[in-house]
Amino acid sequence: DIQMTQSPTSLSASVGDRVTITCQASQDINNYLNWYQQKPGKAPKLLIYDASTLETGVPGRFSGSGSGADFTFTISSLQPEDIATYFCQQFQSLPFTFGPGTKVDI
Amino acid sequence: EVRLVESGGGLVQPGGSLRLSCAASGFTFSRYWMHWVRQVPGKGLVWVSRISPDGSSTFYADSVRGRFTVSRDSAENTLFLQMNSLQAEDTALYFCTRDKGCSTSTCQGNWFDPWGQGTQVTVSS
Repeated sequence: DIQMTQSPTSLSASVGDRVTITCQASQDINNYLNWYQQKPGKAPKLLIYDASTLETGVPGRFSGSGSGADFTFTISSLQPEDIATYFCQQFQSLPFTFGPGTKVDI
Repeated sequence: EVRLVESGGGLVQPGGSLRLSCAASGFTFSRYWMHWVRQVPGKGLVWVSRISPDGSSTFYADSVRGRFTVSRDSAENTLFLQMNSLQAEDTALYFCTRDKGCSTSTCQGNWFDPWGQGTQVTVSS
């Protein structure tokens, strides 16, 4: 199975800050990576697919980059409503696997 | 509105069984691959199973293979997860989700949207 790691585990930032989360796969996954946002008590929500494609309706302050085994997720200007846990997920091969998550606080 | 609603969770003793359902609406259910993902509260997401649009192809995580069976009824727009020989480690919130990237018309990848609200499964004596 492909193992996914994320860093940091959690972070605290201020409104307007640039926030960056990294995700690393245990092997080359091309650009087969997605990012999800999960708010407390809610289901995950797709933000970015194919490493860098913004899902329809998702604010432009969210972005993703990377390929191979190393990926980055960025919130360009943190907003109060962005308080959530963010997960990466690979779809290079089954079983699909998720990163452990990064909790973002203000 | 594209929507998924899970049901069927509950408290069950070790070794018991449960059948989860996921009612789909707002999209052509029969065109999409569907998945089950589970989450222990406060923990990460774990992919459990997937099923093809026509139900002919299924795949499972090692931890549930041989105990869980995924199926679907396109006439009723419903996804199922039959869970047998349940263990304490199966305790989690179970989500169903649509594979938005992969349908009968195109398969560009596997990304999950939307997700249901989840149904809680607790295995305990």
